[in-house]
Amino acid sequence: GENVEQHPSTLSVQEGDSAVIKCTYSDSASNYFPWYKQELGKGPQLIIDIRSNVGEKKDQRIAVTLNKTAKHFSLHITETQPEDSAVYFCAADTGTASKLTFGTGTRLQVTL
Amino acid sequence: NAGVTQTPKFQVLKTGQSMTLQCAQDMNHEYMSWYRQDPGMGLRLIHYSVGAGITDQGEVPNGYNVSRSTTEDFPLRLLSAAPSQTSVYFCATTSAGANEKLFFGSGTQLSVL
Repeated sequence: GENVEQHPSTLSVQEGDSAVIKCTYSDSASNYFPWYKQELGKGPQLIIDIRSNVGEKKDQRIAVTLNKTAKHFSLHITETQPEDSAVYFCAADTGTASKLTFGTGTRLQVTL
Repeated sequence: NAGVTQTPKFQVLKTGQSMTLQCAQDMNHEYMSWYRQDPGMGLRLIHYSVGAGITDQGEVPNGYNVSRSTTEDFPLRLLSAAPSQTSVYFCATTSAGANEKLFFGSGTQLSVL
């Protein structure tokens, strides 16, 4: 089955700096790659996703890049703000978005 | 429009007790699923359903039962709780079509003593 590895497990950045979280996957059939943000005591919320027919997608301060040849994808957050502090999860699926395999999460802390 | 509603939010059980975690959605999504979240392990799929009357196992199904009698509800049953089932449980639904996305409920925190 699919295996998703996520790095780093913790990340601390200063407000205004950029943050990058990286994931690798093992199943070459995977073609859907979402990112979730989880705040304390809440369920994960989808913040951005990408499908294998594109290499990059951007939504305001958040962007995701995908390299299918190398089987890795990354989340980029620019101009970080304190409210970006949370746990971020990457995931991969072969297309249905109903059986996602998740990474182990990255705890992002944005300091003032 | 409540989205995905999970009850209860917190539950403490003794080993061997049974209980049902409830999940209801009002988005008319066909796909529903249950995940458990443990520290350092991300979220792992327990069971999923592609529609009423159809269920299948995920990555960690042992010790859990599910049924799907309606589109709206997808309860998760623990027949004989064990300490290893202490976790946070999330129900999720998936929108249909070419742009499918997975949406989570707010979770149930379960402790088995």
